[in-house]
Amino acid sequence: EAGVAQSPRYKIIEKRQSVAFWCNPISGHATLYWYQQILGQGPKLLIQFQNNGVVDDSQLPKDRFSAERLKGVDSTLKIQPAKLEDSAVYLCASSLQLYTEAFFGQGTRLTVV
Amino acid sequence: DAKTTQPPSMDCAEGRAANLPCNHSTISGNEYVYWYRQIHSQGPQYIIHGLKNNETNEMASLIITEDRKSSTLILPHATLRDTAVYYCIVIIQGAQKLVFGQGTRLTINP
Repeated sequence: EAGVAQSPRYKIIEKRQSVAFWCNPISGHATLYWYQQILGQGPKLLIQFQNNGVVDDSQLPKDRFSAERLKGVDSTLKIQPAKLEDSAVYLCASSLQLYTEAFFGQGTRLTVV
Repeated sequence: DAKTTQPPSMDCAEGRAANLPCNHSTISGNEYVYWYRQIHSQGPQYIIHGLKNNETNEMASLIITEDRKSSTLILPHATLRDTAVYYCIVIIQGAQKLVFGQGTRLTINP
């Protein structure tokens, strides 16, 4: 069974630039999550989708972060403009239904310089 | 609000059983105990979950006390590949989002 795919694996950008991350969840999984993990901390939920609708984006910094899941499958997370404090690993996860066992991708490590 | 308390770090010898404790004294009747782990440079991985009965799968065993205020994750024969951060999470299944705390950093020593 294929897992959650994320790309790119690593990204280095300068502050004020924009960046986008891509996630392909496990086939058939209705729920998709984006987490941010700063070094030394546990993952923090940014946004979650049920099919192509947003369920919770209360922790998403909406002035600079945006996410979409247009056809209820793949998702992209964008940061524009990036700040130094956005340096983190961005994890995508999916689950069969809302709030059931989540399966995580390997993440994208973003460094903002 | 932290619903669980875990020791920040633990060590265990390779081949021995690793017992990871978790306190969740305010757990409510419909909240499950979930365990995930995160190996270095990877995303978190689901291990096991339970409500009130002890559970076992191919990865680990979960022992929940009778009053449900604490639990222990047991890795019966720890290997070097079990070195990871282990997260204990209490949630209402199907109704609450997964919120990660700081977890326990488990180091398996040769």
